Amino acid sequence: DQQVKQNSPSLSVQEGRISILNCDYTNSMFDYFLWYKKYPAEGPTFLISISSIKDKNEDGRFTVFLNKSAKHLSLHIVPSQPGDSAVYFCAASETGTYKYIFGTGTRLKVLA
Amino acid sequence: GAGVSQSPSNKVTEKGKDVELRCDPISGHTALYWYRQSLGQGLEFLIYFQGNSAPDKSGLPSDRFSAERTGGSVSTLTIQRTQQEDSAVYLCASRLSTGSYNEQFFGPGTRLTVL
Repeated sequence: DQQVKQNSPSLSVQEGRISILNCDYTNSMFDYFLWYKKYPAEGPTFLISISSIKDKNEDGRFTVFLNKSAKHLSLHIVPSQPGDSAVYFCAASETGTYKYIFGTGTRLKVLA
Repeated sequence: GAGVSQSPSNKVTEKGKDVELRCDPISGHTALYWYRQSLGQGLEFLIYFQGNSAPDKSGLPSDRFSAERTGGSVSTLTIQRTQQEDSAVYLCASRLSTGSYNEQFFGPGTRLTVL
């Protein structure tokens, strides 16, 4: 049972345009969500997070949107740059627990 | 160092051999996780350590897998009698447990290939 789903395994975007990566979850108890970026041969690095008390969190070119009623979150990257090409994982957690459930990742390719 | 380190970075072994993978977490981080990423898959939770508490081993795929954490710092993941399906990247992460909202910091991983 996949509690966190990233249904798009890959995405290609032109440099300068917006990249939108999507993530769906099934457990309504999740209240903290994170995005990680992973380059080949490196471990995932934390990008941005959001708690369920918010519906938007912004950090520079990166914005995460949370729609609790739809159990959906998305990561927007504007403008996209070639260096953003990586695999992006979303993760979810429930307050008071320590487990982070990860999606299967979306490979983003930003074309110059 | 400042980040999570793992060794070796690559390990090639023959089926049936035992392997040990090492993780050095960030100093002061009391929580430590092991994950596995198989080809084309997401991050699969294996085991979690928190301070001196009993670890959560619920993600270990078989009794061939074990892990320990000595002195609340360094952790070793051991795979006995390796099988080809054990081939994957094994990732370690640590987290500062104070507070509810904080992220994990990952090491670079150990790529295990079982021939």
